[in-house]
Amino acid sequence: AQKVTQAQTEISVVEKEDVTLDCVYETRDTTYYLFWYKQPPSGELVFLIRRNSFDEQNEISGRYSWNFQKSTSSFNFTITASQVVDSAVYFCALPKSILTGGGNKLTFGTGTQLKVEL
Amino acid sequence: DVKVTQSSRYLVKRTGEKVFLECVQDMDHENMFWYRQDPGLGLRLIYFSYDVKMKEKGDIPEGYSVSREKKERFSLILESASTNQTSMYLCASSLVPAGGSPDTQYFGPGTRLTVL
Repeated sequence: AQKVTQAQTEISVVEKEDVTLDCVYETRDTTYYLFWYKQPPSGELVFLIRRNSFDEQNEISGRYSWNFQKSTSSFNFTITASQVVDSAVYFCALPKSILTGGGNKLTFGTGTQLKVEL
Repeated sequence: DVKVTQSSRYLVKRTGEKVFLECVQDMDHENMFWYRQDPGLGLRLIYFSYDVKMKEKGDIPEGYSVSREKKERFSLILESASTNQTSMYLCASSLVPAGGSPDTQYFGPGTRLTVL
């Protein structure tokens, strides 16, 4: 069965520090996608990235970067020079297995609460 | 921009009441989803709809039903609310892209439901 583990429940950093949020997944599929979402205090999940397992290159978007390592089944998310506005809960997600017809449905990790303080 | 709206941000109901949570999306998405979010458990899928009048059970459908009479609207129904259904409920929608690969889900702001 698909599984997503976000072992870090809560992380606190001081503004301008770099921080990495871990995501480890399990899947039976040979090709798959991975997602990251941000949930600020307002509650609405905001899409950050969708990644295909064929593409193992790291992705960078401004202060955000993602490191995809198929060998260790990890898709980690790094925020460089963190800011107070980065404070949120971050979720990693993996579609349910296409072997069971579930490709449109996501399995979410339990989330990591990031607190960035001044 | 995709917009997913939910009828209420906060809702307080009594045990045994019938509760309707409404979700509307304006991007002509085929797929719509209802999740509940609880501390330490992440998001769990309640129901999924891939077309009008079509639905599939998710991971935790017990105690819930859904209705999709129009493409843009997906309702979650608690037939007889119980205190263990106190939670944050999130609606999402997505396209069905060519090739069947999962498209990005876009979420509404959530409804925080309290059942007393």
